[in-house]
Amino acid sequence: EAGVAQSPRYKIIEKRQSVAFWCNPISGHATLYWYQQILGQGPKLLIQFQNNGVVDDSQLPKDRFSAERLKGVDSTLKIQPAKLEDSAVYLCASSLNRGETQYFGPGTRLLVL
Amino acid sequence: KQEVTQIPAALSVPEGENLVLNCSFTDSAIYNLQWFRQDPGKGLTSLLLIQSSQREQTSGRLNASLDKSSGRSTLYIAASQPGDSATYLCAVIPSWGQGAQKLVFGQGTRLTINP
Repeated sequence: EAGVAQSPRYKIIEKRQSVAFWCNPISGHATLYWYQQILGQGPKLLIQFQNNGVVDDSQLPKDRFSAERLKGVDSTLKIQPAKLEDSAVYLCASSLNRGETQYFGPGTRLLVL
Repeated sequence: KQEVTQIPAALSVPEGENLVLNCSFTDSAIYNLQWFRQDPGKGLTSLLLIQSSQREQTSGRLNASLDKSSGRSTLYIAASQPGDSATYLCAVIPSWGQGAQKLVFGQGTRLTINP
C-alpha cells in the first residue's frame, strides 16, 4: 500500500514570496491533515479536511495561508506572502476517518530567507 | 486547553538497556493517545495507539501505558538497539465535544542509543 506522498521535499524562498505544497493521501482515506513543525517542537495542526470539507482551521493563519482539497483526494497548502517565521517542516497526514490512526508523509522542509 | 509535555527533551543510553519515556497531559478527557517515532528528515511513524478505555498496548519490544486520572503515559522500550535512535513524540486527541478530533503533540524526546 502506497503511503502519503508530498512534494516538494525541500523549498527555499525569500520572504514575501509565495510557495505551494502538494499532498496525496493514502487511497480511501477520508480525513486529511496539514501540520506545521517548527524545529525542536511537536507538530501543530493547521487544517483538517473530512473529504473535501474543512473540519478545523482554527490555527491556520488565514491572512497568508490557504488550503484546499478538491474532489476529496489531493490537497494543496499555499503561503502568500511568506514570512521568516514560516520556516518549518510541513507535514501532511491522512486517516481512514476522524479519530483513527494517522499516517504521515515525509514532509516538506521550507526555509524562508 | 490541552497541553502535552515530554521530559526529558533528550536522552542517551547504552545499547541493551531498558528505558522509559514520559508524557504528561493537562486534561484527562481524551479520546486516545498515540506514540510516534520521527527519524531525521522524515515524517512520523505511529508506534502505538491507546484508546481512552485501555490501560496499555504492546508491540514487540515496545509497551505503552496510559493513566488518564494522573494525566500520564509512558513508553517502555526493552533491550534498546542503535536503530531505536530517533525522536519519540506523544500526542493526544481530546474527547468528542471539544472540537475536531485533532492530535495535540508534545515537543518530543530525542533518544540516542550508544553502541
